Amino acid sequence: DAKTTQPPSMDCAEGRAANLPCNHSTISGNEYVYWYRQIHSQGPQYIIHGLKNNETNEMASLIITEDRKSSTLILPHATLRDTAVYYCIVRVGTASKLTFGTGTRLQVTL
Amino acid sequence: DAGITQSPRHKVTETGTPVTLRCHQTENHRYMYWYRQDPGHGLRLIHYSYGVKDTDKGEVSDGYSVSRSKTEDFLLTLESATSSQTSVYFCAISETERNEQFFGPGTRLTVL
Repeated sequence: DAKTTQPPSMDCAEGRAANLPCNHSTISGNEYVYWYRQIHSQGPQYIIHGLKNNETNEMASLIITEDRKSSTLILPHATLRDTAVYYCIVRVGTASKLTFGTGTRLQVTL
Repeated sequence: DAGITQSPRHKVTETGTPVTLRCHQTENHRYMYWYRQDPGHGLRLIHYSYGVKDTDKGEVSDGYSVSRSKTEDFLLTLESATSSQTSVYFCAISETERNEQFFGPGTRLTVL
């Protein structure tokens, strides 16, 4: 699986959009980008995933650059409950394994 | 939330003793996984199962064994626990190998 690079921490004001970047410059054509988050000692929670096109669901949007070497997870209106560690993962489409890095710790503040 | 429970939620044991952690699901998903989480390492895959009696190793499988005799249960066994196995253990499930994984609440294991 391709290696990902994320900033170790970010801050965001409540109500503002949180934009979490991820670099995956060695991604292969059959590798998907997945985002999970982990809220203080709970199990990781799936957020969204994509291959080439931008994706949106009720939780977030995923923007993937045209060359697929980086992506951004957008939480449109961050709340205090979004404070968590966010993991960007690239994964071969047919592979079971998820390889978690150390993620980005997002702190949402008043 | 996906129906995944883990037991026990907390356990303290001594070096050299056997320990079994249980993951139970009510979703009838085919795939089940065991991860461990340690500071500075993120989550690492220990073993996974792709069906009853079908299992395979992950990246940190040494010292661990697994069994899956029923779709709903996936057991992780530490035959002889060591202090290096002190960790938080998460179980996950997925419907297919391509689908997203849903995680359980975790088991905090301390080996003294």
